[in-house]
Amino acid sequence: EAQVTQNPRYLITVTGKKLTVTCSQNMNHEYMSWYRQDPGLGLRQIYYSMNVEVTDKGDVPEGYKVSRKEKRNFPLILESPSPNQTSLYFCASSFCLNCEQYFGPGTRLTVT
Amino acid sequence: GDSVTQMEGPVTLSEEAFLTINCTYTATGYPSLFWYVQYPGEGLQLLLKATKADDKGSNKGFEATYRKETTSFHLEKGSVQVSDSAVYFCALANAGGTSYGKLTFGQGTILTVHP
Repeated sequence: EAQVTQNPRYLITVTGKKLTVTCSQNMNHEYMSWYRQDPGLGLRQIYYSMNVEVTDKGDVPEGYKVSRKEKRNFPLILESPSPNQTSLYFCASSFCLNCEQYFGPGTRLTVT
Repeated sequence: GDSVTQMEGPVTLSEEAFLTINCTYTATGYPSLFWYVQYPGEGLQLLLKATKADDKGSNKGFEATYRKETTSFHLEKGSVQVSDSAVYFCALANAGGTSYGKLTFGQGTILTVHP
């Protein structure tokens, strides 16, 4: 089954404790993205990647890092999480720039 | 820059009612347009898409037509069901504009359908 998977689905952590949210897709897509969804602010892109070792900032990259060492994986790294990073995070992938994106199930992160 | 505006919600309907959710966009060039649906506790699922002017996207009884002259992509369904209750997002992708590498989303419209 074609899908985007994320782990963990739920995470509660404390300020400053480094964490990684994993994302993997099995559709051989070149393009991958991370979004965060917040009430009243909608969905905003954090980072995206156009291929292995090619990443770029989205609209809200501050406080986040990404890497793309393999085509299928695109982890999101929070090196020093803060409470304002409490949010619902989605990974997505697509075949081309103007194509539809396929979303993972989401990771609900709470930083206390 | 690119932007998407959806009608204000929430929308509450009775089962079998007609649904319209308005969506208008601002973009240079030739964006692709999408409707996504998010059921409670789940991720976003692609509902339908249109990639050029006058294209009609359709799926599960939902339809939307890409109108370049009015820069609109309104979502319609002739007879809604309780199971259609969800949040609906209009979105665009535009490799030639400020949406390069991402989807630009509207704010979402909450739909509740009562039996």
